This record gives sequence, C-alpha cells and structure tokens, in this order.
Amino acid sequence: SQQGEEDPQALSIQEGENATMNCSYKTSINNLQWYRQNSGRGLVHLILIRSNEREKHSGRLRVTLDTSKKSSSLLITASRAADTASYFCATGRAAGNKLTFGGGTRVLVKP
Amino acid sequence: DGGITQSPKYLFRKEGQNVTLSCEQNLNHDAMYWYRQDPGQGLRLIYYSQIVNDFQKGDIAEGYSVSREKKESFPLTVTSAQKNPTAFYLCASTASGSTYEQYFGPGTRLTVT
Repeated sequence: SQQGEEDPQALSIQEGENATMNCSYKTSINNLQWYRQNSGRGLVHLILIRSNEREKHSGRLRVTLDTSKKSSSLLITASRAADTASYFCATGRAAGNKLTFGGGTRVLVKP
Repeated sequence: DGGITQSPKYLFRKEGQNVTLSCEQNLNHDAMYWYRQDPGQGLRLIYYSQIVNDFQKGDIAEGYSVSREKKESFPLTVTSAQKNPTAFYLCASTASGSTYEQYFGPGTRLTVT
C-alpha cells in the first residue's frame, strides 16, 4: 500500500497563481521528499525535508512538514506553464534510504 | 556527463517471453532501485540493491528478477510469470546510507501483447 497519499489528485490553475498540494502518510519517517515528473519521463528531485524540520524553501517552492499530523504540503508560487507536471511525495523511513511514493498530484498550469 | 541510462525507451514483447530492461549509472552510487508505474499512478518498488551482489525484494517483486554483478548496472528481467507486465519501468540510484535524493533514469515503456 502507498505510504503517501497526495491531495488533490489533479489541479488546474492559471499561470501566475499559486499551486498547493498535500501529502499524508501513515508511519514515522526520517525524511519526506517531493519529486516532479513530466509526462512520460523520469522523476526529478525537487526538495527534501527532514523529520526535525518544519519548513523549507527552494526558489519558488515551499514545503512544510507536520509530523504530528503526518502531513506535508508543497506550494509552488507564481506558477508557470513549465510547471505543468505530476508531483509526487515520497517518504523515507529510518532504515536505509528506500522510499515509498504516493499516487501523485497532476498539475496543469494554463497560460 | 553523469547520470542514469535506461534502454530501450520503448519495448514490445509477446506474452510468454522474458524480457530484460537495462539500467546503467555512472554516478558511483551504491544503491539502485527498480520501480513500476501504471498509468495515472504512483511508483511501486520492485527490487532494490544497496551493494554489489546483494538485492532485496520490494513491494511487488513477484514475476521479476534482478542481478547486481557490477556497481554500475542493475538489469531487471520481467518474466513470463508476471501476470500484467505492461507498464512504465523506472530505475533510480542514490548514495547509500543516507537520506539522499534518488536520481531517476528516463524510463522504459514495456508493452506485452
């Protein structure tokens, strides 16, 4: 079963708007990562947040982590058409660096 | 250029045939992974290897086999025992013993008819 579950499953926004997607997970984690996948391509790592961190920024990306609620959010500010992709959260448990991926959020940014 | 290569990009096979998907990396990473992705779905872990000559089953290993004879290579064989092999297969690697990000190859789309 999937550790992480993203919400919403799909999101359609206008260029320039912000996009927010959420990830919930079930068991304790060591870290949580967000990846982007363009259609038919491999995944690209966006950002990693460790279990002892609450917020992290990278360019137009902002990630939060609430371990008490077992949830994370990814915010993309001032979205661009090039941000159109699927976004996946992945959780890493304490043992090793095996990741468990969620089902993804498909984001469409309309120009 | 450092990275992960997967070949071929598209692969077609008849039902009942085994097929081997290639994954090579020159990142000097110890750990390598194989995932399966079905349309509109997330990634599911098939097998992973944290060191040469050692590998472990993931969540959906049935019908698949792997080998790890060299650090750079982690081929995946989809056997005829895999009941629904048509899918997008992704290989990834990472530096082991850490929480580092995974680097992904471009994927192989396998169609079995």
